[in-house]
Amino acid sequence: AQSVTQPDIHITVSEGASLELRCNYSYGATPYLFWYVQSPGQGLQLLLKYFSGDTLVQGIKGFEAEFKRSQSSFNLRKPSVHWSDAAEYFCAFLASPGGGGGNKLTFGTGTQLKVEL
Amino acid sequence: DTAVSQTPKYLVTQMGNDKSIKCEQNLGHDTMYWYKQDSKKFLKIMFSYNNKELIINETVPNRFSPKSPDKAHLNLHINSLELGDSAVYFCASSQVPGGTGELFFGEGSRLTVL
Repeated sequence: AQSVTQPDIHITVSEGASLELRCNYSYGATPYLFWYVQSPGQGLQLLLKYFSGDTLVQGIKGFEAEFKRSQSSFNLRKPSVHWSDAAEYFCAFLASPGGGGGNKLTFGTGTQLKVEL
Repeated sequence: DTAVSQTPKYLVTQMGNDKSIKCEQNLGHDTMYWYKQDSKKFLKIMFSYNNKELIINETVPNRFSPKSPDKAHLNLHINSLELGDSAVYFCASSQVPGGTGELFFGEGSRLTVL
């Protein structure tokens, strides 16, 4: 079955510390992968996406993610976390890349990031 | 100028009532969606319209009826509301030149059914 898993429900880091949020996928081919962020009371915003090519992708707000086919992972990283990064982070997976079924994104269950000052 | 706007932002109603949520996007996108986010923050697609035509219809009770009067608007009408319908409903839009997964979300409409 096609799915995306975020093993960590909650993560707490100190401001200025590095961050890594985990995402694993299950799919028979190379998927399209995304990270979205949801600030409290807001909708989701795209941080970055991977389609093909360079496995290290850069996103907005200083985030990056690395696609590792051998580990079926697409982990999100940031070298130094700011208090404003506290939010819910969703990994997402596109089941039909380029297909006629529209953008049927499948989301992970989310990781809530808390930042200690 | 808000790209994807939903109204109302909050909705509290009794079981059995009928309610609607409206969504408008000014991005010129062809495709719009409704997603449901439950109390555990799980997001699931409900419907998708491409240029007013229904293209995704997930396993959703037929009490839920989307309607797209034009490609900039997608409304969601819910009949006979149940407690389990309590959730945050997100509207989103995208360009679909081939399916790129980049969705632009509204701020959500929090529905509480008492």
